[in-house]
This record gives sequence, structure tokens and C-alpha cells, in this order.
Amino acid sequence: GAGVSQSPSNKVTEKGKDVELRCDPISGHTALYWYRQSLGQGLEFLIYFQGNSAPDKSGLPSDRFSAERTGGSVSTLTIQRTQQEDSAVYLCASSPFSGNTIYFGEGSWLTVV
Amino acid sequence: GDSVTQMEGPVTLSEEAFLTINCTYTATGYPSLFWYVQYPGEGLQLLLKATKADDKGSNKGFEATYRKETTSFHLEKGSVQVSDSAVYFCAGDSNTGNQFYFGTGTSLTVIP
Repeated sequence: GAGVSQSPSNKVTEKGKDVELRCDPISGHTALYWYRQSLGQGLEFLIYFQGNSAPDKSGLPSDRFSAERTGGSVSTLTIQRTQQEDSAVYLCASSPFSGNTIYFGEGSWLTVV
Repeated sequence: GDSVTQMEGPVTLSEEAFLTINCTYTATGYPSLFWYVQYPGEGLQLLLKATKADDKGSNKGFEATYRKETTSFHLEKGSVQVSDSAVYFCAGDSNTGNQFYFGTGTSLTVIP
């Protein structure tokens, strides 16, 4: 079946602009995660959604970052007033239920110039 | 908080050499443990996992055993191939399952 789908795969934006990154999880997966992978760094947790529960936003680095998940499926990560340090690969993952194996998309590579 | 620590790379091996990538975990409970692999230009893929102490995960010739006494989950392969060149991430899941925590990744290059 289809895996986790992310778009765009690559995005170059000017400093100060807003960007939206989209994630379409595997059908039926209730849990959705966003991570950030900076060059040469590990994976940084950003936010977690589980069903209709309030999301765990504890990993968002600043109030310029926000995420929504509509209808328990598609999620959008929004970065406002982008900064150069926001340049990274943003990875989305989903899992059937909390605590199980998670499956990653191929990521959205964001470059802020 | 819960975390994993894995050996830093990069690691360069000759084909058919033995591979060990160390990973230790810190957790208040009993997490499931995972190894993910990221091949060049691709997303992260699950390589193997173990859900409880003494479990051994295995896949594609790789193995890792969940050692509660040493809080470790070292990745091993007896004979690496050029196609194993990738970045390997150790990971665990938190007690609440709210997030998976990852190591910083170990880059492996296998030369013919």
C-alpha cells in the first residue's frame, strides 16, 4: 500500500517568508509525528498527534512553528517568518497506534536563503 | 528524559568486515528499541526492532539484542556489503508512546 507522502520534496524560500509542509500519513494510522533533521544531526522531535487527542507540541522550537491535523489524517506544518537556521529536512511519520513502529516519509528539504 | 546514545561515526569498513554499532538507552520504563536505516537519498526505514528484554531483532543479516542488564541494543552484522553503506539510527519509544527518541545516527561506508 501507499506509504507516508510528503510535499513538497524540496522548498527554497527567502528569509522571512512563511512555508507550509504537508504530510499524508498511511491510511488508518492514528498517530502522526513531525521530526526535523538538520545537516549532520540526529532527529529532533517536533510534534505528535494521536487521534482526536490534544497534540504534544513539546518539541516545537519556537512559536513560529505550528502544525495542524485535519480530520485525523493530513497534517500541515507551518513555519512563519522563516530563518536560515530553519533549513533542514522535515520528516513526517505515522504509526497504527501509539508506541508501535513508525513509518517515515521521504521528507521535505527546506532551504532558507 | 528517555534517550538513546549511539556511537559516533563515521565508520568505514572493508567489504566482508564485521560491524558493530553501539547503542545504549536511558529510560524510566521498558521501551521498545529499534534500529532505523537511511540509505543515500532515501527516507528512514525500519531495519529491526525488539520489544522486551532478551529479544533479538534481525533483518538483512543485521542483529541486535535487547540487553536490560547493560541497557544496550548494539547493532551487529557479520559480513558487511557495499550496499550496507547508509546512516543507522538507534531509537526507542517513550513510556507514553508520545514520541520516539533517536540517536544522532552513525554513518557507515563500506568500501570494496
